[in-house]
Amino acid sequence: SQTIHQWPATLVQPVGSPLSLECTVEGTSNPNLYWYRQAAGRGLQLLFYSVGIGQISSEVPQNLSASRPQDRQFILSSKKLLLSDSGFYLCAWTRGAGSTDTQYFGPGTRLTVL
Amino acid sequence: EDQVTQSPEALRLQEGESSSLNCSYTVSGLRGLFWYRQDPGKGPEFLFTLYSAGEEKEKERLKATLTKKESFLHITAPKPEDSATYLCAVALYNFNKFYFGSGTKLNVKP
Repeated sequence: SQTIHQWPATLVQPVGSPLSLECTVEGTSNPNLYWYRQAAGRGLQLLFYSVGIGQISSEVPQNLSASRPQDRQFILSSKKLLLSDSGFYLCAWTRGAGSTDTQYFGPGTRLTVL
Repeated sequence: EDQVTQSPEALRLQEGESSSLNCSYTVSGLRGLFWYRQDPGKGPEFLFTLYSAGEEKEKERLKATLTKKESFLHITAPKPEDSATYLCAVALYNFNKFYFGSGTKLNVKP
């Protein structure tokens, strides 16, 4: 069976500090990978998605970036955090392109920028 | 512009009081509509996928239906443990993206 991991689970960072959130998927190969942000009481905002190693599509221009160094690893980064970067960050995966499969989510990372 | 709208934003029910949540969409080329349950501080948990108008799926007290413009999540005789935020999302053909509604927060009181 497939499993998706995210770490850290919670993070408190000062404004201007760097960020690195990691997501890994087990039990599948060549998945599509996604980063979402969820503000308190709000829906999910798609930040980035990737259909393969090194292939990143950005949905929202901002101070965040994403990378996919390995097939089942997806990283969300920032060089300098802003207060507005606070939120609940979710990683998700689906089977590769051409499938009508479902999107499955990780447990999330709660980021607080002070 | 493609859009997914959920209503109501919040719903309070007494235990055993059945109701429905709505997800309406204005997208072209629907590939699938998905329902998720999200508990506070956790990632969304998959419930159902619906692919075509007229399709229905059931799981315990939940039943999801789909028309050409909207989907309903019917909750029959809810229990307090059904309290959560319910999210719907649509996926389009030729895209690898999913569009989410803002969710309905359900509170079932004993």
